[in-house]
Amino acid sequence: RKEVEQDPGPFNVPEGATVAFNCTYSNSASQSFFWYRQDCRKEPKLLMSVYSSGNEDGRFTAQLNRASQYISLLIRDSKLSDSATYLCVGYNFNKFYFGSGTKLNVKP
Amino acid sequence: EAGVTQFPSHSVIEKGQTVTLRCDPISGHDNLYWYRRVMGKEIKFLLHFVKESKQDESGMPNNRFLAERTGGTYSTLKVQPAELEDSGVYFCASSQERGARAFFGQGTRLTVV
Repeated sequence: RKEVEQDPGPFNVPEGATVAFNCTYSNSASQSFFWYRQDCRKEPKLLMSVYSSGNEDGRFTAQLNRASQYISLLIRDSKLSDSATYLCVGYNFNKFYFGSGTKLNVKP
Repeated sequence: EAGVTQFPSHSVIEKGQTVTLRCDPISGHDNLYWYRRVMGKEIKFLLHFVKESKQDESGMPNNRFLAERTGGTYSTLKVQPAELEDSGVYFCASSQERGARAFFGQGTRLTVV
């Protein structure tokens, strides 16, 4: 079983829509979590860290549910520039574990 | 502040040749990671340095891969001899503390032909 699992998508949404991604993790001892964004043929770029209390950064809200072992990312008022692959990442024992990514296409 | 830089950005080599990838982490970041993404798969861990010490190299595929971080600054990853299945994008990342957010370099796209 993979450490981190995500729906690969693609999620095709119109501009202005709200879209939510979830990912699940298998190791309950995982210590920290992040969402990264990766554009085609580019490096992953940190979007935000994820906390149990939930955290918000502008149009983006991330949430960690340790009891159910899932992480979510909510994007409000989607922009064309939000089109990318979103990577769910967990950290455990010296390693970051990456999900395979969820592809988002925001259409005009 | 300079980010994580990797060199070269692309490398095309023949099977059996040697290639050395370089990573310069963000200054002051003790933690340095190497990751790899092969076609169609998720990004996978190769190894982790804290300063010059290897903390975890459990992700290194085999003994054709050798990573070093002499002096605890930049790191190199050598593949010798390269095989076709080594093709992929090799990412380096650094973080200030273990488990803290990591910043990635732009990656080295390695193609073995």
